[in-house]
Amino acid sequence: DAGVTQSPTHLIKTRGQHVTLRCSPISGHKSVSWYQQVLGQGPQFIFQYYEKEERGRGNFPDRFSARQFPNYSSELNVNALLLGDSALYLCASSLEGALHLFFGSGTQLSVL
Amino acid sequence: AQTVTQSQPEMSVQEAETVTLSCTYDTSENNYYLFWYKQPPSRQMILVIRQEAYKQQNATENRFSVNFQKAAKSFSLKISDSQLGDTAMYFCAFMYNAGNNRKLIWGLGTSLAVNP
Repeated sequence: DAGVTQSPTHLIKTRGQHVTLRCSPISGHKSVSWYQQVLGQGPQFIFQYYEKEERGRGNFPDRFSARQFPNYSSELNVNALLLGDSALYLCASSLEGALHLFFGSGTQLSVL
Repeated sequence: AQTVTQSQPEMSVQEAETVTLSCTYDTSENNYYLFWYKQPPSRQMILVIRQEAYKQQNATENRFSVNFQKAAKSFSLKISDSQLGDTAMYFCAFMYNAGNNRKLIWGLGTSLAVNP
């Protein structure tokens, strides 16, 4: 079975642009979470979605938004990019209520 | 507020030796879960071991075991018979219930190098 897949793997944008990151969960997993990992730090929680509804949101500005589709895949959108948005963006999926999160390999976003 | 502290930015160990990574946390929650995740150069976070706070017995997964001291809010990871493939960043993480979802709080990580 395929694991969590994220696309693209790398992305370079300039300040002020918009970016969309994509995530496909493991088959059967209906919960998807997004994390931002700045170089040298641990991941920071951005969003969690379950059955297309937002279940939780971290301390991120409104420039960050996400959605989950009927097939449980998810998109993370970031508007008006800042240099500080440069990071590895990780997606994780899980069964509802499960403790074990399965992570993808992330999207490395560089904002110039 | 929940916090996780990993006081060892870098560690190294010889192949086949044993190494212990430290983690402390702070919380007022009674029900929570603790994890160690491994992040190799491939960047994918991989679950190493999990401990439920209500369980007194320390979790063990093959060569990996934890020393969970609830009163001291300490959760260290012991890797026995270290292998070259254990070289990675190791993150300690704390999960608690926040409304209708669970939040995962991470430490800054410890970079472990296993030397041949």
